Amino acid sequence: DAKTTQPPSMDCAEGRAANLPCNHSTISGNEYVYWYRQIHSQGPQYIIHGLKNNETNEMASLIITEDRKSSTLILPHATLRDTAVYYCIVSATAQKLVFGQGTRLTINP
Amino acid sequence: GAVVSQHPSWVICKSGTSVKIECRSLDFQATTMFWYRQFPKQSLMLMATSNEGSKATYEQGVEKDKFLINHASLTLSTLTVTSAHPEDSSFYICSAIGQGRQNTEAFFGQGTRLTVV
Repeated sequence: DAKTTQPPSMDCAEGRAANLPCNHSTISGNEYVYWYRQIHSQGPQYIIHGLKNNETNEMASLIITEDRKSSTLILPHATLRDTAVYYCIVSATAQKLVFGQGTRLTINP
Repeated sequence: GAVVSQHPSWVICKSGTSVKIECRSLDFQATTMFWYRQFPKQSLMLMATSNEGSKATYEQGVEKDKFLINHASLTLSTLTVTSAHPEDSSFYICSAIGQGRQNTEAFFGQGTRLTVV
């Protein structure tokens, strides 16, 4: 599976949009981009995934560049409960997801 | 989304004893389940892949005789930490994928915190 690069930490003000970047320059054509988050002492929570088109659901939007070498997860109106570690994972399937270090997002009041 | 439940949420055991952790898919049939381990301030590390009715596949460096995995049904996988030692203290997390959903999301349990004293 391709590796991803994420900033180790980010801060965002409550109510603002949180934009979390992820680089995956070696992604293969059949690999999806998955985003999960982990709130302290809990199991990871699925957020969204996509192949090449932008995706949106009730939690977030996923913007994938045309060359698919990077993506951005957007939380449109961040709340304090969005404070978590966010993981960007590229994989051909949802099986055997390999987690990197992720981005620790802190939402400030 | 689908629900995966782990039991217990936390357990404290004495060194040398064995501990069993259960992972259940509550509203779907999971042909494949995965077990992860997470040490403090570290990311999740995949330990093994559990397929219903067959032997688990362990990642490199994970002792299969120490971490026994059983996936006897489409809704239950168990991880038994045998002869636990303090260094086995960790956060153990399972995930599951439903039949025919390999390219969608994996659902994770809430995790089990094991403390060996």
